Amino acid sequence: NAGVMQNPRHLVRRRGQEARLRCSPMKGHSHVYWYRQLPEEGLKFMVYLQKENIIDESGMPKERFSAEFPKEGPSILRIQQVVRGDSAAYFCASSRSDNQPQHFGDGTRLSIL
Amino acid sequence: AQTVTQSQPEMSVQEAETVTLSCTYDTSESDYYLFWYKQPPSRQMILVIRQEAYKQQNATENRFSVNFQKAAKSFSLKISDSQLGDAAMYFCAYSVNYGGSQGNLIFGKGTKLSVKP
Repeated sequence: NAGVMQNPRHLVRRRGQEARLRCSPMKGHSHVYWYRQLPEEGLKFMVYLQKENIIDESGMPKERFSAEFPKEGPSILRIQQVVRGDSAAYFCASSRSDNQPQHFGDGTRLSIL
Repeated sequence: AQTVTQSQPEMSVQEAETVTLSCTYDTSESDYYLFWYKQPPSRQMILVIRQEAYKQQNATENRFSVNFQKAAKSFSLKISDSQLGDAAMYFCAYSVNYGGSQGNLIFGKGTKLSVKP
């Protein structure tokens, strides 16, 4: 029973490039959450999606960041024109329903050169 | 706005001893969930325990138990018979309970636990 799968584990980008982070939820889970963790900090909520719908994006920066969870395939967090401040660990979590605990992936560590 | 505060940046415990990690939170909601997550050096986030605010009984999970004081808005984690594998960052987290639905998680800054052999 595979857990939440995130890839890549590490991603290096130069300033101005695009970063795409992928998340495959646990089998049977249709709710996906994205969080960002800066060094020495706790995780900060970014966005909550269900299949083909964004439910809550109150934690997403207004520009350059977008997320999707298509009917088929993984959820994607996309960061356009990356800047140094985007360097962080990005975690995805999934749950079976909206009253079940969230289970986390191992995260993607994004480094911006 | 809801906030979660962990006042102990670092804690240390001797193997086989007991340690308690503190967490306080601030909310105007009456129903919510509280969590403790463990993050070892591998960086994986592992759910340790979950407490529903309307349940008075403290949650337990093997060697892990909580002391939930709703009036004081306190939610401490007790680890009994500490093991070397317990060494990790521990995050306290909160989410609103919307009629049974769990909202997004709000995390504290974490407590780094070291276990001495």
